[in-house]
Amino acid sequence: TQLLEQSPQFLSIQEGENLTVYCNSSSVFSSLQWYRQEPGEGPVLLVTVVTGGEVKKLKRLTFQFGDARKDSSLHITAAQPGDTGLYLCAGGRIQGAQKLVFGQGTRLTINP
Amino acid sequence: EPEVTQTPSHQVTQMGQEVILRCVPISNHLYFYWYRQILGQKVEFLVSFYNNEISEKSEIFDDQFSVERPDGSNFTLKIRSTKLEDSAMYFCASSAQRTTNTIYFGEGSWLTVV
Repeated sequence: TQLLEQSPQFLSIQEGENLTVYCNSSSVFSSLQWYRQEPGEGPVLLVTVVTGGEVKKLKRLTFQFGDARKDSSLHITAAQPGDTGLYLCAGGRIQGAQKLVFGQGTRLTINP
Repeated sequence: EPEVTQTPSHQVTQMGQEVILRCVPISNHLYFYWYRQILGQKVEFLVSFYNNEISEKSEIFDDQFSVERPDGSNFTLKIRSTKLEDSAMYFCASSAQRTTNTIYFGEGSWLTVV
């Protein structure tokens, strides 16, 4: 069974600080997606990384896929209150690639 | 921006009743999925659907569940005889490609079984 573990599960920091959220597995994934989910709503896709070592930037958010494609990180620079939310990572399998395996999420709170 | 739409947004049903959750995937997408999220737990895969047939399903997707694409736009999830433990948020998703690179989710249908 493939599992994705996110850390930390909860993070509360002050506006302007930097933070990193981690997504780790012992399994190799063909791709890794990061989503943001608001209460009572569906996951909204932020980015997909597919190549080991790949780095993608989305404004103040930097996403990285590990070289071995087993882990990923999300780094936010100068966090804003608008970044508050639940961040989910989800991995696509090497074979039968239609199924996403989700992490449990990191609940991020940015305090003004 | 194209989006996956789901109805109803919230449904309360008696245990043992049948429920149909509806989804309109993004129009040029060919692969369709249902996921669910029990309150406070991870998002879990239920089933994937392509070319009018199930391509993969999880152990959660037992004989009480079925999916259908009754016309060119809708994709439905039916739960034949609901149980209390079916209470969850059900997400429809779609993608243009077979790989999981570009899966887009709807806003969900919150099912409460009483």
